[in-house]
Amino acid sequence: QKEVEQNSGPLSVPEGAIASLNCTYSDRGSQSFFWYRQYSGKSPELIMSIYSNGDKEDGRFTAQLNKASQYVSLLIRDSQPSDSATYLCAVKSWGAGNMLTFGGGTRLMVKP
Amino acid sequence: DVKVTQSSRYLVKRTGEKVFLECVQDMDHENMFWYRQDPGLGLRLIYFSYDVKMKEKGDIPEGYSVSREKKERFSLILESASTNQTSMYLCASSLARENTIYFGEGSWLTVV
Repeated sequence: QKEVEQNSGPLSVPEGAIASLNCTYSDRGSQSFFWYRQYSGKSPELIMSIYSNGDKEDGRFTAQLNKASQYVSLLIRDSQPSDSATYLCAVKSWGAGNMLTFGGGTRLMVKP
Repeated sequence: DVKVTQSSRYLVKRTGEKVFLECVQDMDHENMFWYRQDPGLGLRLIYFSYDVKMKEKGDIPEGYSVSREKKERFSLILESASTNQTSMYLCASSLARENTIYFGEGSWLTVV
């Protein structure tokens, strides 16, 4: 059984701080990694994808991947109250087609 | 913009009823998915379809069936609804060779 683990939170950070969200996965054959943001009562939306070890930056978001440690993280710089949401980590394994395995999500609260 | 439409947003059904959840996408995507989302469990894949009349079981297919008679439409069927199927159901679609999955707005089903 492929597993993707996230701390459910809530993770509370003050406005302007860096929020760090973490995710571990069990399948060493995993190749593609995604972060989705989900506002309460809404559907998930893709915010970042990463495929190779290292960092990938997009605006205030940085995704970090370490395949040896089976660990992927999302950093949000200059956190804003509008970043308050649940962040879902998703992993795609080799040969899985477009099927993703999702973690349980981390709820982030950014306090003004 | 890609649009994935779930026609029923909120439903209340009785135990034993047959329930249909409909999903339509307008971007000619080959792949379509049905997930359910429960607190702390993240998104779990129920069924996946990669072409018309083709389907694959996901992680939790028990108690569900699906139908894909047309490329744009993917239906989830609960043959005999039970209270443990109370959940939010998310439909999604993607192109065959792309990683981005687009979600619908979700259908909240309560079985009483």
